[in-house]
Amino acid sequence: NAGVMQNPRHLVRRRGQEARLRCSPMKGHSHVYWYRQLPEEGLKFMVYLQKENIIDESGMPKERFSAEFPKEGPSILRIQQVVRGDSAAYFCASSPDGQNYGYTFGSGTRLTVV
Amino acid sequence: AQSVTQPDIHITVSEGASLELRCNYSYGATPYLFWYVQSPGQGLQLLLKYFSGDTLVQGIKGFEAEFKRSQSSFNLRKPSVHWSDAAEYFCAVEMFSGGYNKLIFGAGTRLAVHP
Repeated sequence: NAGVMQNPRHLVRRRGQEARLRCSPMKGHSHVYWYRQLPEEGLKFMVYLQKENIIDESGMPKERFSAEFPKEGPSILRIQQVVRGDSAAYFCASSPDGQNYGYTFGSGTRLTVV
Repeated sequence: AQSVTQPDIHITVSEGASLELRCNYSYGATPYLFWYVQSPGQGLQLLLKYFSGDTLVQGIKGFEAEFKRSQSSFNLRKPSVHWSDAAEYFCAVEMFSGGYNKLIFGAGTRLAVHP
């Protein structure tokens, strides 16, 4: 029973490129949350998605960031035209129904913008 | 606004000593509270959680936490720290809004253990 799978584990992008981060939730989980951890900081909520729906994107930067969770396949967090300030660890968590208390987190994707 | 405060950014203890990591929250309703641990370069592992009932909850790796409503606190404790406990610890509160929930994290406490 695989946990939450995130890939890649490490991603290096040059300024101006696009970054795509993938998250496959646990089997049977249809709710996905993305969090960002800046260096020396805690985790900040970015977006909450259910299959084919964005429920809450209040933590997403207004520009360059987008997220999706299609009917088939993983959830994708997309960052266009990356800048140095986007360098962070991005964590995905999943839950079966959005009301399960406490999520299962993936190991994260560490994005470095050079 | 809902928030979680971890007053101690860094804590250093000697191996075998007791440990208490502080966490205070601000939330209008009955909180669901969590402690997570993050080893360097790793993801988050759930240590323990409080939903209701007994205010002293036991977790993995010998950790426990006590919910004190009057103090809005949920401090994490361990009677005897091991070198492998060196990591970053995050307190979190689950807030409900608009029919769904999401976790709000504190800034974390980084624990160093001296031999």
